[in-house]
Amino acid sequence: DTGVSQDPRHKITKRGQNVTFRCDPISEHNRLYWYRQTLGQGPEFLTYFQNEAQLEKSRLLSDRFSAERPKGSFSTLEIQRTEQGDSAMYLCASSPLGTGGEYFGPGTRLTVT
Amino acid sequence: AQSVTQLGSHVSVSEGALVLLRCNYSSSVPPYLFWYVQYPNQGLQLLLKYTTGATLVKGINGFEAEFKKSETSFHLTKPSAHMSDAAEYFCAVRGDNAGNMLTFGGGTRLMVKP
Repeated sequence: DTGVSQDPRHKITKRGQNVTFRCDPISEHNRLYWYRQTLGQGPEFLTYFQNEAQLEKSRLLSDRFSAERPKGSFSTLEIQRTEQGDSAMYLCASSPLGTGGEYFGPGTRLTVT
Repeated sequence: AQSVTQLGSHVSVSEGALVLLRCNYSSSVPPYLFWYVQYPNQGLQLLLKYTTGATLVKGINGFEAEFKKSETSFHLTKPSAHMSDAAEYFCAVRGDNAGNMLTFGGGTRLMVKP
């Protein structure tokens, strides 16, 4: 399977702990996106990379959130000092340059207790 | 800034009936428009997209959508619903934002009755 993969699929953590998620995009895709989806809502944009450069961050992305894409391939999203409000599905997507849509991974469901 | 409104958070149809899911958008520039489907505990799958050219766009699983600039709409239709179409459907727009990200509507849950 050559689609977008995310790891882990599920993460349960206690409030105050740090968590890190990984995304492996489709190999030839230059663009990589992180979105967050809460129950009953559409995905909300968090941040966007073109190759290794992080070009845009949403206001939703507080200082506790950091994302990297060190070699323009896989990406990590870290949340420090998690809060219960961080509980959500974190979706990664990738796309080639151009006007096409993004291809989404299966998501990582985070539960903060 | 762009936005998407999906009218009806829940739509119920009988198997074999027409499916119509509504989407209206706002964008300050000609938009690129998308429909995604999401099955439970899964990511989003691209159904179809409009970028330029023909305003009637055909997608996977028998779905199609028509871009109507005058109505700022991009409604999703399927002539005959199948049980397997039951899922959450999201309309999204990519407009003039520098980040090229998608802005999604709130989603419509489609239920198909036997």
